[in-house]
Amino acid sequence: QSVLTQPPSVSGAPGQRVTISCTGSSSNIGAGYDVHWYQQLPGTAPKLLIHGNSNRPSGVPDRFSGSKSGTSASLAITGLQAEDEADYYCQSYDSSLSGSYVFGTGTKVTVL
Amino acid sequence: EVQLVESGGGLVQPGGSLRLSCAASGYTFSSYWMSWVRQAPGKGLEWVASIKQDGSEKYYVDSVKGRFTISRDNAKKSLYLQMNSLRAEDTAVYYCARVISGSFLFDHWGQGALVTVSS
Repeated sequence: QSVLTQPPSVSGAPGQRVTISCTGSSSNIGAGYDVHWYQQLPGTAPKLLIHGNSNRPSGVPDRFSGSKSGTSASLAITGLQAEDEADYYCQSYDSSLSGSYVFGTGTKVTVL
Repeated sequence: EVQLVESGGGLVQPGGSLRLSCAASGYTFSSYWMSWVRQAPGKGLEWVASIKQDGSEKYYVDSVKGRFTISRDNAKKSLYLQMNSLRAEDTAVYYCARVISGSFLFDHWGQGALVTVSS
């Protein structure tokens, strides 16, 4: 049950900047719950990319940045590299569903 | 180094049962909530279930309530998912994940276990 909406795909040339939006509602992002982002490389498990809306775990390049405003959040990748080609998911918590963690629909980033 | 290793996946007929296990190492297992997250072939991520540190609280997505049971054994540093009355739509890779409860996020993931429900 994806209650967070993302664009299915975004693309860009190497070196360019791309952004991925994540739209929620008043019971999740808009309720003040943090947004987190995960990167899933082909055939691998998801990896935490951004936590607490805009914080990068150790080892994540500063080319990745996150922000949140109102009922939406976004992930930006600057200086796009071939190794960034992957699926990206936003995630938050929803107070309308007991104990429910919610994910975005996922966005495929293609490096042209 | 935190490691989560799932096992127990496989092929099962509709209506059948399967038990997944997740062995944790590299951290104090009993101090963290744990969860199961699944991904159907070619689809997105879906949270399945979560369990509190001492097992006293458990939560499930509506589609598995009454069929799946999450449990843990802190002495064995292991997480489990008992799946009964399996349906074709339960076919997915199942990941165990460590939860940072205050932030509602999954900071470490296992490699996943494939469950295929088919006759």
